Amino acid sequence: AQSVTQLDSHVSVSEGTPVLLRCNYSSSYSPSLFWYVQHPNKGLQLLLKYTSAATLVKGINGFEAEFKKSETSFHLTKPSAHMSDAAEYFCVVSLPRQGNKLVFGAGTILRVKS
Amino acid sequence: DGGITQSPKYLFRKEGQNVTLSCEQNLNHDAMYWYRQDPGQGLRLIYYSQIVNDFQKGDIAEGYSVSREKKESFPLTVTSAQKNPTAFYLCASSTRLAGASYQETQYFGPGTRLLVL
Repeated sequence: AQSVTQLDSHVSVSEGTPVLLRCNYSSSYSPSLFWYVQHPNKGLQLLLKYTSAATLVKGINGFEAEFKKSETSFHLTKPSAHMSDAAEYFCVVSLPRQGNKLVFGAGTILRVKS
Repeated sequence: DGGITQSPKYLFRKEGQNVTLSCEQNLNHDAMYWYRQDPGQGLRLIYYSQIVNDFQKGDIAEGYSVSREKKESFPLTVTSAQKNPTAFYLCASSTRLAGASYQETQYFGPGTRLLVL
């Protein structure tokens, strides 16, 4: 079975400091992995995706994530947090053999302090 | 502008009432999806459709129904059988290429918040 675990329900950082949002997955075959961001009362926006090409994936707004098969991790990072980064972030693994079904982590709420 | 629209933004349901949430896309995507979001639980799949006139149950289909009569539209009905309908509902769509081995990205609408009176 495939699943995804976001290790922190809340992360708080100061503006200008690095961001690390942690995600671990379990999969019986090579997964596709995504990070989505959701601002309050809004839909989800794709930040980046991994599809078995380069293991370091660059996304929008300065975010990037590294796929580490040996650690079954796909952590999201950003060198310097901005106030506008405050939102909820979802790590997602896909099931292409089941109608493109996505399995969502529970989410990590990022708070950015001034 | 291409995208996914959901209406209404807020919807109120009375006890025993069926309500229908609208989802429309002009991205020419074959596949469409409905998710329910509850606080602290991420998103859960209600129904999905890979092609017109076909749809499949997701993980929490009980108390919901859908139709897919047109490629661009995938309405969701929350029936009176759904005892806990208060949630944020998100519609998504993706392309579907036969035989593709890579993962297709799902694009999300802005959501509808359903509240029970």
